[in-house]
Amino acid sequence: KQEVTQIPAALSVPEGENLVLNCSFTDSAIYNLQWFRQDPGKGLTSLLLIQSSQREQTSGRLNASLDKSSGRSTLYIAASQPGDSATYLCALDSGYSTLTFGKGTMLLVSP
Amino acid sequence: DTAVSQTPKYLVTQMGNDKSIKCEQNLGHDTMYWYKQDSKKFLKIMFSYNNKELIINETVPNRFSPKSPDKAHLNLHINSLELGDSAVYFCASLLAGVNIQYFGAGTRLSVL
Repeated sequence: KQEVTQIPAALSVPEGENLVLNCSFTDSAIYNLQWFRQDPGKGLTSLLLIQSSQREQTSGRLNASLDKSSGRSTLYIAASQPGDSATYLCALDSGYSTLTFGKGTMLLVSP
Repeated sequence: DTAVSQTPKYLVTQMGNDKSIKCEQNLGHDTMYWYKQDSKKFLKIMFSYNNKELIINETVPNRFSPKSPDKAHLNLHINSLELGDSAVYFCASLLAGVNIQYFGAGTRLSVL
């Protein structure tokens, strides 16, 4: 059974810092890994999707990496802004497009 | 122009009642899901439907009965509500091929 762990559970940084969110998983037999953003009272927004054959994906200030052999993914956020404050969720698709989520990292970027 | 819309946004009810949550997507996707996010913010899959047919049922009590009248709708009916059913329920639909799921804003259910 796939288990997904995200570290840290919460992170508070001043504006402008570069930061890394970590995700680890127990079963490397995955189709893809996704990073989502969840804002309070709202649904989830997909940020980046990495197929199992890929090593990384980039979108603007975000870069996500995937290392299946070690069961790890990182989400790198460059030059953080207050608008980046949200909960970031890592999710793995192990088949049938059914996602297994981590518990998330709550990020607060202060001005 | 909301892509995945859920109603109601908030639902407060007494134990033992029966309630329904509706979900509609206007994206033309074939696959839809229900997820439950508990008080610890842990998000777990409940059901998956593809073109009105049940694909996945993740050991959810049979008090929960999803219904898909057409591929754009996936409603969730809950019988005999219990305190432990209090959570935020999210509906999602899948863009096949790209495998990105689009989520609704969630329905916060509080059982008193």
